[in-house]
Amino acid sequence: DSGVTQTPKHLITATGQRVTLRCSPRSGDLSVYWYQQSLDQGLQFLIQYYNGEERAKGNILERFSAQQFPDLHSELNLSSLELGDSALYFCASSVGRVGNTIYFGEGSWLTVV
Amino acid sequence: EDQVTQSPEALRLQEGESSSLNCSYTVSGLRGLFWYRQDPGKGPEFLFTLYSAGEEKEKERLKATLTKKESFLHITAPKPEDSATYLCAVQAANSGYALNFGKGTSLLVTP
Repeated sequence: DSGVTQTPKHLITATGQRVTLRCSPRSGDLSVYWYQQSLDQGLQFLIQYYNGEERAKGNILERFSAQQFPDLHSELNLSSLELGDSALYFCASSVGRVGNTIYFGEGSWLTVV
Repeated sequence: EDQVTQSPEALRLQEGESSSLNCSYTVSGLRGLFWYRQDPGKGPEFLFTLYSAGEEKEKERLKATLTKKESFLHITAPKPEDSATYLCAVQAANSGYALNFGKGTSLLVTP
């Protein structure tokens, strides 16, 4: 158990809908990362927050957004969903210093039908 | 642009047959090279972080090494429970603290 908690574990929704994925980081970790993993693309970095502020942005679509709240939990919002958004979405957390270990949650399986 | 390339894509070994996985990288200002293990449908599990060329780290049957251009994950006398996808990732000076992952090597160890 990495200590990173993600909900829901599985989610099935229709095209055009909006979903929210939730992440609670490990105790003491200030930085939260979101990654998308699909069969053909591997693990793709989406976005990082550090202590409530956006720190780095990767290949995140405009239809996707995220935030980190004062209690350090984070949410990833996915809107206008398309079939191609079906993937495993991971949250990860770290203390937030260079070289610190980044721990991953078990992921949220999103299926868009 | 930072690049991480892992080879081979897939590897099948007999139990006890040692081998190495390769991770080649190009990055501006390497801050750390990370190895993770991922089982199907699970989150990546941290194995090692290497910071500078010449560094080595070991854990049970696994040993990771780092040069200026690549890293190797050596697996000595593997067991079936070592079957998993092994992921390599780099943390660069210009990426905040985010990791840039390779596509992984899928390892199958047969009895």
